[in-house]
Amino acid sequence: GQQVMQIPQYQHVQEGEDFTTYCNSSTTLSNIQWYKQRPGGHPVFLIQLVKSGEVKKQKRLTFQFGEAKKNSSLHITATQTTDVGTYFCAGLENNFGNEKLTFGTGTRLTIIP
Amino acid sequence: DVKVTQSSRYLVKRTGEKVFLECVQDMDHENMFWYRQDPGLGLRLIYFSYDVKMKEKGDIPEGYSVSREKKERFSLILESASTNQTSMYLCASSHGTDNSPLHFGNGTRLTVT
Repeated sequence: GQQVMQIPQYQHVQEGEDFTTYCNSSTTLSNIQWYKQRPGGHPVFLIQLVKSGEVKKQKRLTFQFGEAKKNSSLHITATQTTDVGTYFCAGLENNFGNEKLTFGTGTRLTIIP
Repeated sequence: DVKVTQSSRYLVKRTGEKVFLECVQDMDHENMFWYRQDPGLGLRLIYFSYDVKMKEKGDIPEGYSVSREKKERFSLILESASTNQTSMYLCASSHGTDNSPLHFGNGTRLTVT
C-alpha cells in the first residue's frame, strides 16, 4: 500500500533560523495536504497542493509539490516560537475521496529561544 | 467555524472492558473518520464513514468497530479493550466534496490498564 515518509522526525532550531520538513510518497499523489499540530492540540489544516511543481506561500511558510507529484516540502523562514509543533503531510493517492489520505509520520519542531 | 467534539479528553479503562468513544460535528459534514495517533507512527486511519449507517475499514480496523446512526455522530467502539489500544484517538470530519480538508476534534487519550 501507499507509504508516506517524512523527515526529519525531530528538528531543534534556534529562533530565527530556517526549518524544512520533507515528505516522500511511494506512489504518485493526486494532491497533498499539510497540517500543523501544536503541543497538546489537534492537527489543523494549513494548505493543499494539487498541481505538479506547485509552490504556495503563507507568510513565512513556503509549500512545494514536486514535479513528479511524489514529494513535497514545507519551509519556514526565520522561525518564531509560535511555529512550535508537529507538521504532518498527508497525501491523497487518487481522487476518489479522503479515505485514501495517508499521513506522514510528522516532524516535531522545537524552537530554542 | 467547524466544531468537532469528542466526548472525553482522557479515559482510563481496564483490559477487557467495552469502550465507547463519541464524536459529534456541527457542520453537516458527510464524511467522518477515526484515527489513532502514536509517537513515530503519525496518524493511522481506523474506520471512516461517508454517510449515515455506512462504514468502511481503514488501515488498522482490527479490534475496533464503529456506528453512525445519525449524520452528526460517529462512535468508535473497542469491543474488548487491550493494552495495545492505549493511544490518542482523533475524530475528524470533512465535506463530501473531493479533497476537502479534515477538521479534527481535540482527541481522547485512552489508557488501558
